[in-house]
Parts: sequence; structure tokens; C-alpha cells
Amino acid sequence: QSALTQPASVSGSPGQSISISCTGTDSDVGGYRFVSWYQQHPGKAPKLMIYDVSVRPSGVSNRFSGSKSGNTASLTISGLQAEDEAVYYCTSYRSSDILVFGGGTKLTVL
Amino acid sequence: EMKLLESGGGLVQPGESLRLSCAASGFTFNAYAMSWVRQTPGKGLEWVSGISGSAAGTYYADSVKGRFTIARDNSKSTLYLQMNSLRDDDTAVYYCAKGRDVVVVPDRGLDYWGQGILVTVSS
Repeated sequence: QSALTQPASVSGSPGQSISISCTGTDSDVGGYRFVSWYQQHPGKAPKLMIYDVSVRPSGVSNRFSGSKSGNTASLTISGLQAEDEAVYYCTSYRSSDILVFGGGTKLTVL
Repeated sequence: EMKLLESGGGLVQPGESLRLSCAASGFTFNAYAMSWVRQTPGKGLEWVSGISGSAAGTYYADSVKGRFTIARDNSKSTLYLQMNSLRDDDTAVYYCAKGRDVVVVPDRGLDYWGQGILVTVSS
């Protein structure tokens, strides 16, 4: 069982917007602004998409955005494209464990 | 261009040891913390260990504490993971990843990852 809870799967049609939730506790997501999101395509290494809850690294499309409310962080992808189909993982800093991951959410673009 | 290239993986028996290496290039190695993250086949990701840019701070997941040792040689821009007393559940693809800061704690994202190296522990 992963430390952070994500839905197993989400789907959307091209052009639509989807959100992926990441639920933790006061000790991780709720206690710090150190939430990151990663995209992983099959057979590839994870790619950092969002850090510090809502900051996009250079080169990441502005269709990707992050937010947090209480113990739940969210990744929103707007204007869905076929290339967005991947597994998305959230992470959070937790003082006792350093870094904890969510179980991953498979995004299917219909 | 930043590159991270892992090596040293393979098949070992339970109880044996293995040392992974990660050769870095394209950035000032000692200015950034580095981590090892593993992924079990068909499953999710697990942070394993991290080390600060100066090597002064090292951190481990409970699942590997006392068995794995992380180290770095900044003169060679290389990260290491010494894995002892390997168990079946250590079987995974191991990634080395670059932190965005010189310190491991708190984690503020891992912005470059190697391609991963497979470690299989089986009798």
C-alpha cells in the first residue's frame, strides 16, 4: 500500500481537462509545500512535471498545473493530447520518510 | 546536456551483494543532491536513498536501512549504491536521479533521471 493515495486510472478525450488527486496526511501533503508530480511513459524514466505543489520546470507545457488543498494535491492537465497518455505519480516530502510516492494513476486518452 | 548512466545491475542470489554506479555529466555534480529510486516490475516507485551534494548528509528508506549504503565521488561525478544482504523484494529497476537542490531534505523534485538498471535477486 502506497503512502499517498491516487486513483488507479482516469481518462479523458482529446481537448478535455482532467485532474488527478493525491491524498496524504498532515505529515506529508498537508504539512508542506513539497509536492511533486512525475509522468512516466512505458519503458521510460519518470519525468518531473510539477514541483513545490504548482511550479512547472522549464520545458514543461503550461497545460500542466498543480494545486493543493489540505491533505490533497491535484494535477490538472488541460487540452488533453494523445502524448499525455502515461502513468502519473505524486510525491511528497515527509520528515520521517524523506520522500513518499503515490501508487500512480494511469491516464488514458480516449 | 545532462546525462545519468547507471551500471552494475544484474542477477544475484539472496544474501549476496551488488554495487550500482551512476555516472553523471552535463552539470556541476557536487552542487546537487542525488537519490536512488526503484521500481518493482509492473508496480510503483519507491525512494531508496539520497545524499547531499557534499556527501555530508545521507538518508535511507526504512526498507533498506542497515543494508544499503549510498556514496558519491564528486571528483569522478559518480554516485554509488552498495547493496548488501539482498532479498527477493529488492528486485527492481533502480534509477539514479538528480535533486533540484544541494540538500536532500526537504525533497523539492528530482529533475533528471537515468534510464534505470535492473537488479534481480533470485535463487
